[in-house]
Amino acid sequence: AQSVTQLGSHVSVSEGALVLLRCNYSSSVPPYLFWYVQYPNQGLQLLLKYTTGATLVKGINGFEAEFKKSETSFHLTKPSAHMSDAAEYFCAVSRSGNTPLVFGKGTRLSVIA
Amino acid sequence: KAGVTQTPRYLIKTRGQQVTLSCSPISGHRSVSWYQQTPGQGLQFLFEYFSETQRNKGNFPGRFSGRQFSNSRSEMNVSTLELGDSALYLCASSSRTSGSSTDTQYFGPGTRLTVL
Repeated sequence: AQSVTQLGSHVSVSEGALVLLRCNYSSSVPPYLFWYVQYPNQGLQLLLKYTTGATLVKGINGFEAEFKKSETSFHLTKPSAHMSDAAEYFCAVSRSGNTPLVFGKGTRLSVIA
Repeated sequence: KAGVTQTPRYLIKTRGQQVTLSCSPISGHRSVSWYQQTPGQGLQFLFEYFSETQRNKGNFPGRFSGRQFSNSRSEMNVSTLELGDSALYLCASSSRTSGSSTDTQYFGPGTRLTVL
């Protein structure tokens, strides 16, 4: 069975500081990996996804994530936090083309001015 | 292109009642998935429909059911509501033209269900 662990239910950073949200997964087969963001009272929006190929994935709004198979990790980073980045972030894994997404518990990001 | 729409956005029901939620996918998308989001359990997969057929089902009791129509619109129904069913119910659509989960899932804003 697949699972996703997001370290830290709440992360707080200063505006302009590095954002690092951690995600570790377990999967018996090479996974597809995703990061989604959820703003208050809204649905989820895809930030980026890893399927195959380049392990460093660039997404929207300046976010990127690196797939590290040896560490079973897919951490999300952004060099400089902006106030508008404050939201809840979810890491998700899928085993194959026809299996549903399994989400982590989420990490709430706060950005301090 | 219009996004995924869900109706109603907010709903209040009492224990024992039943409820039907609706989801209209993005035009051309044939796959619709439903998720339940609660503070305690997080996001949990309910079921997925593709071309009117249920393709995957999560670990939820039989009180939770769904269907998909020929125009890809989907409904989910919860019968005999319990307090624990209070949640945000999210619908997501994707093209799934190749049957691959590399196809992005686009989420609607959700229906907030409160059971009193």
